[in-house]
Amino acid sequence: EAGVTQFPSHSVIEKGQTVTLRCDPISGHDNLYWYRRVMGKEIKFLLHFVKESKQDESGMPNNRFLAERTGGTYSTLKVQPAELEDSGVYFCASSQDGGETQYFGPGTRLLVL
Amino acid sequence: SQQGEEDPQALSIQEGENATMNCSYKTSINNLQWYRQNSGRGLVHLILIRSNEREKHSGRLRVTLDTSKKSSSLLITASRAADTASYFCATDAVGTASKLTFGTGTRLQVTL
Repeated sequence: EAGVTQFPSHSVIEKGQTVTLRCDPISGHDNLYWYRRVMGKEIKFLLHFVKESKQDESGMPNNRFLAERTGGTYSTLKVQPAELEDSGVYFCASSQDGGETQYFGPGTRLLVL
Repeated sequence: SQQGEEDPQALSIQEGENATMNCSYKTSINNLQWYRQNSGRGLVHLILIRSNEREKHSGRLRVTLDTSKKSSSLLITASRAADTASYFCATDAVGTASKLTFGTGTRLQVTL
């Protein structure tokens, strides 16, 4: 069974540009989560999808961040326009319906210059 | 301080020794999970312990949970160089619908 995959693995962009991160959860997992770790800080929750619906988006930092999960399969996280403080590692995780264990992807390392 | 703080921040031991990492948290939880992150890699799920459990084992891992003290410990026995990584505890707090709260992690270095 394939794990959670994320694309790209690394992204380097300039301030003001747009970046879109993609996450493919484990097949059949209804729950999809986005987290991020900015330099020197702890990993923080961004939002949670159940299928295509946003269950909790309390961790989204501001309206420059837009997450979608059309069709309830893969998800994208778009940052527009990117700022320097958005640099960090963005993790995606998925879990089964009713499952407690969250399985994480390898992360996307974003550097905004 | 943050929910899910690990102690110590860094730990260096020799291969074959045991490593113990502690985690403290603030709110009532449904469960607590431990993850490992090798340098530059993703998070690997190690073990989950529910709030009504006190101890759990998985291979060389032993996790304890004391909900009265709001703390957990992760013991790795007979450590190996391959155990070198950062270890994070993450809590699933009651009423937060599976949103995990992580600590800053313990960096474990196992030398030959």
